[in-house]
Amino acid sequence: DARVTQTPRDKVTEMGQEVTMRCQPILGHNTVFWYRQTMMQGLELLAYFRNRAPLDDSGMPKDRFSAEMPDATLATLKIQPSEPRDSAVYFCASGLGQGRSTFGSGTRLTVV
Amino acid sequence: GESVGLHLPTLSVQEGDNSIINCAYSNSASDYFIWYKQESGKGPQFIIDIRSNMDKRQGQRVTVLLNKTVKHLSLQIAATQPGDSAVYFCAEILNTDKLIFGTGTRLQVFP
Repeated sequence: DARVTQTPRDKVTEMGQEVTMRCQPILGHNTVFWYRQTMMQGLELLAYFRNRAPLDDSGMPKDRFSAEMPDATLATLKIQPSEPRDSAVYFCASGLGQGRSTFGSGTRLTVV
Repeated sequence: GESVGLHLPTLSVQEGDNSIINCAYSNSASDYFIWYKQESGKGPQFIIDIRSNMDKRQGQRVTVLLNKTVKHLSLQIAATQPGDSAVYFCAEILNTDKLIFGTGTRLQVFP
C-alpha cells in the first residue's frame, strides 16, 4: 500500500533550537496537509498545499513556523525557534482533494 | 506513542456487540463528512465518508448516518472486535480540501 512517510519519528530538542520535520507524500497526490495534535486542542490544521502551492497557512504561527514544498516528493515544516508549547505530534497527510487524505505516522516533537 | 487526550468521551462495549459513535458538526453548509480511526501511535485512518446529499452509507461492518436537520453524524460498527479499539474522529469539509476534525471518541472493546 502507498504510504505517507514522515521523518523523524521522534524528536527531542531544547528550547530555541530549529526543528525540521519532513514528509514524503504519496506519489501522484496533489494536496499535502500539515496537522498538529495535542491533548488540549486535538487535531489542528496548520497549513496545506495544492500542486505545491501554499493555499492556507492561517492555522500556523507565522513568526516561528514555516511550511514549504521544495518539490513534489517533499514537504517540510520548520519551527525556529522552538518552544515547549510546540510539543505535539505533527502529522502530514496527502490526497487528491476533497478531504479524503492519507495520514503519515506522525512526528512526536518534545521541546524541553 | 500517545496521540490523543486523556479526557475524551469513552464508549466501552463488549466484543461482538454493536457500537454507535456520535458526532455533532458545526457548519450547516458542510457538504462532505469523513470518519477516521486513530490507533495509538498512528495517524488517523480513513474509514468511511458520506456526502450531504445522502443520509446513510454502508461499508464493511460500518454504517454512517447523517442527519442534516440537527447536524448530527453517527458511525455504527457491527459486531465490534478488539481491533476496533481506537479513537474515532468525525471530520467535515466545506467547499475546500480542509478537514475540520471533531474532538474524538475513544472506543474500548472488552472481551
